[in-house]
Amino acid sequence: DIVMTQSPDSLAVSLGERATINCKSSQSVLYSSNNKNQLAWYQQKPGQPPKLLIYWASTRESGVPDRFSGSGSGTDFTLTISSLQAEDVAVYYCQQYYTSPHTFGQGTKLEIK
Amino acid sequence: QVQLQESGPGLVKPSETLSLTCTVSGDSISNYYWSWIRQPAGKGLEWIGRIYTSGSTYYNPSLKSRVSMSVDTSKNQLSLKLSSVTAADAAIYYCARGTRAAAGIFDYWGQGTLVTVSS
Repeated sequence: DIVMTQSPDSLAVSLGERATINCKSSQSVLYSSNNKNQLAWYQQKPGQPPKLLIYWASTRESGVPDRFSGSGSGTDFTLTISSLQAEDVAVYYCQQYYTSPHTFGQGTKLEIK
Repeated sequence: QVQLQESGPGLVKPSETLSLTCTVSGDSISNYYWSWIRQPAGKGLEWIGRIYTSGSTYYNPSLKSRVSMSVDTSKNQLSLKLSSVTAADAAIYYCARGTRAAAGIFDYWGQGTLVTVSS
């Protein structure tokens, strides 16, 4: 199985400031046939299911605010929230879909400082 | 708007079989991959497996010997069975849709159903 490791486990950022979450996969998730990274990011608020934010490592899902962006390739990826809003408090997960079983990172809890 | 709703017993006895249903509304389940994902209380997400509407399946090897999934296109439903449950199987169980671009991108999720394992 591909192991997904996120850092940090928790993060406190001031409103309006940048938040950065990292995700590392134990092997490359870059699919050579389409040159796309098989990596997604989800946001989960308390009592809710995860919500898809980003896929193909950097493609924003429809309706997701543009303050959310994804970057990276191969084994190292980053989710950036450019200007933290109160409603962004949540746990964030990365997930690889390069191979089955699909695997998730352990989650990063984002809070307001 | 696509909506998914999980249902089933919230309490299962150890060694028995957990059975859940996911009812999809707002779109046909045909021609999509559907996954089951679980989350123990306060913990992370574990992908259980997926089924295509043709009935083809892929199960997480960690659970493969105990998992069975099926689909009923006439009812727009999918189902999950997990046998010989233990306390380690207690979790919120979600069904989720895989996109047509990639089965492993989950764009719609149910609200989840909490399953407790206890005698």
